[in-house]
Amino acid sequence: AQSVTQLGSHVSVSEGALVLLRCNYSSSVPPYLFWYVQYPNQGLQLLLKYTTGATLVKGINGFEAEFKKSETSFHLTKPSAHMSDAAEYFCAVSPGGSYIPTFGRGTSLIVHP
Amino acid sequence: NAGVTQTPKFQVLKTGQSMTLQCAQDMNHNSMYWYRQDPGMGLRLIYYSASEGTTDKGEVPNGYNVSRLNKREFSLRLESAAPSQTSVYFCASSRDRVFGQPQHFGDGTRLSIL
Repeated sequence: AQSVTQLGSHVSVSEGALVLLRCNYSSSVPPYLFWYVQYPNQGLQLLLKYTTGATLVKGINGFEAEFKKSETSFHLTKPSAHMSDAAEYFCAVSPGGSYIPTFGRGTSLIVHP
Repeated sequence: NAGVTQTPKFQVLKTGQSMTLQCAQDMNHNSMYWYRQDPGMGLRLIYYSASEGTTDKGEVPNGYNVSRLNKREFSLRLESAAPSQTSVYFCASSRDRVFGQPQHFGDGTRLSIL
């Protein structure tokens, strides 16, 4: 069975600093990987996804993630944090053979002025 | 662009009461899902419907039932609510069963059971 581990339930950065949210997965078959963002009192919105091809994936709002098969990781980064980036971020994995994703427990991003 | 619409947005129930959470999508998606979100637990799948006319259990189906009324609507029913079912419930949809399709989420129903 597949699983997703998000390291750190809370990550705190200063405005303008690098954002790094970590996601590691386990899957016995090639995975499809997703990052979603959840703003307060809203549902999840897709930030970016990896299916096949280029391992560096660019998403909305300046976020990107890199699929590293050897490290079974799909970390989310943004060069410069904005106050508006404060939200909950979820990593999800769908192994090839399953169209239903498994979600990580989420990481709350806190951005300080 | 409504996307996925959930009603109600908030609800308070007493233990033992029943209620149905409604979900509708206007994107002509084939697959629909119900999740619950609890602090520190991420999203857990309750039930899903791969296509109109089919439903299947997810990770945490006990205490719930679902109905895929038509292609647009997928409802979740609590027959006898329990305090452990206090949660935020999200409905989602995806275009089809092709691998790698992203899900589109509603804004949630916040349910408290006293």
